[in-house]
Amino acid sequence: DAKTTQPNSMESNEEEPVHLPCNHSTISGTDYIHWYRQLPSQGPEYVIHGLTSNVNNRMASLAIAEDRKSSTLILHRATLRDAAVYYCILRRSSNTGKLIFGQGTTLQVKP
Amino acid sequence: DAGITQSPRHKVTETGTPVTLRCHQTENHRYMYWYRQDPGHGLRLIHYSYGVKDTDKGEVSDGYSVSRSKTEDFLLTLESATSSQTSVYFCAISESPSSYEQYFGPGTRLTVT
Repeated sequence: DAKTTQPNSMESNEEEPVHLPCNHSTISGTDYIHWYRQLPSQGPEYVIHGLTSNVNNRMASLAIAEDRKSSTLILHRATLRDAAVYYCILRRSSNTGKLIFGQGTTLQVKP
Repeated sequence: DAGITQSPRHKVTETGTPVTLRCHQTENHRYMYWYRQDPGHGLRLIHYSYGVKDTDKGEVSDGYSVSRSKTEDFLLTLESATSSQTSVYFCAISESPSSYEQYFGPGTRLTVT
């Protein structure tokens, strides 16, 4: 399975944009890029996913490099409730649907 | 929120005792997963199920067994609990393997003394 690399931690100020990077240099053509986040004492929740094109939804935006070897999750205006561990995950198109989690990035949001 | 419950939410047990954790869903999703999460680690897949009575191993399946006798329930059993199985266990569901979203339960914190 392809591996992702993320910074261990990042800090942001409230109401400012946050860019969370992820490197996945061994990504294959059939790997989808998923982002999940885990709030304290909760299970992970889906944030966004993409394959080749940039994606937007109500929670965030996903910018995917042209060579697909890296991606960036963008939170447009961080709130205190966005403080969480953010996981960048590559999901291979297969018959299992399993997710391979890395260690993620712990995002701290300062008021 | 997806209808996923886990029971018990907390459990303390002694080494060598059997333990069964239950995941119950009301979404009628075909796929169900058990993950464990340890400090400093992301989630790791233990077992998953792709239908009633259809299960397969994940990356950390040693010491665990699962059963799925009906769509809504997925049971994780530790036949003889060890201290290394102290962890937080999460259940997840998805409609299909190509579904872009897995929904996770609230977790079960298991302590083996």
